[in-house]
Amino acid sequence: NAGVTQTPKFRILKIGQSMTLQCTQDMNHNYMYWYRQDPGMGLKLIYYSVGAGITDKGEVPNGYNVSRSTTEDFPLRLELAAPSQTSVYFCASSYATGGDTEAFFGQGTRLTVV
Amino acid sequence: RKEVEQDPGPFNVPEGATVAFNCTYSNSASQSFFWYRQDCRKEPKLLMSVYSSGNEDGRFTAQLNRASQYISLLIRDSKLSDSATYLCAADSGGYNKLIFGAGTRLAVHP
Repeated sequence: NAGVTQTPKFRILKIGQSMTLQCTQDMNHNYMYWYRQDPGMGLKLIYYSVGAGITDKGEVPNGYNVSRSTTEDFPLRLELAAPSQTSVYFCASSYATGGDTEAFFGQGTRLTVV
Repeated sequence: RKEVEQDPGPFNVPEGATVAFNCTYSNSASQSFFWYRQDCRKEPKLLMSVYSSGNEDGRFTAQLNRASQYISLLIRDSKLSDSATYLCAADSGGYNKLIFGAGTRLAVHP
């Protein structure tokens, strides 16, 4: 019962470097999300997807890109890393409709940009 | 104004106390509401959904007030193991885009 799997768990990047945070889910959920959480703060939505081939911006999309070529995978791309992107990144997935649509989270990726 | 706002923490309470958290949401089109629990350095996990009629799960009671656009979480008989951050979340209308509040930290002490 893997659920939502994120890789890597930890990463240190230098300013200006690029990287892709991987996220995959095996629950056949249509909806997937990327959040960032700064120390002592709540979750801020970066991007979300309502199905394969469909993505949309959340609250803080600048500096990030996403793609959703399959139902299972929703990678997050940082093109030019900046210190302001130091954060914990959580990927989540859920079913499509409202009501009891629990979002399941991955264990997070702790990213430090130096 | 933030879409979802919570009581600022931390709440420091003794074991056995009753504690209540409030959360307001700004989007009147929101339909789904949740309370998540997040332990230190862990991912959030669903504590309970919030229904219009209110719902109870053991020591936890969640309520929704649509007229005033807030949800609440009541924890009775607090345990040390309840120490965590509690995040409220609301969908942003339509696309099930989940927006979270900043979280309220609860510390239960002996």
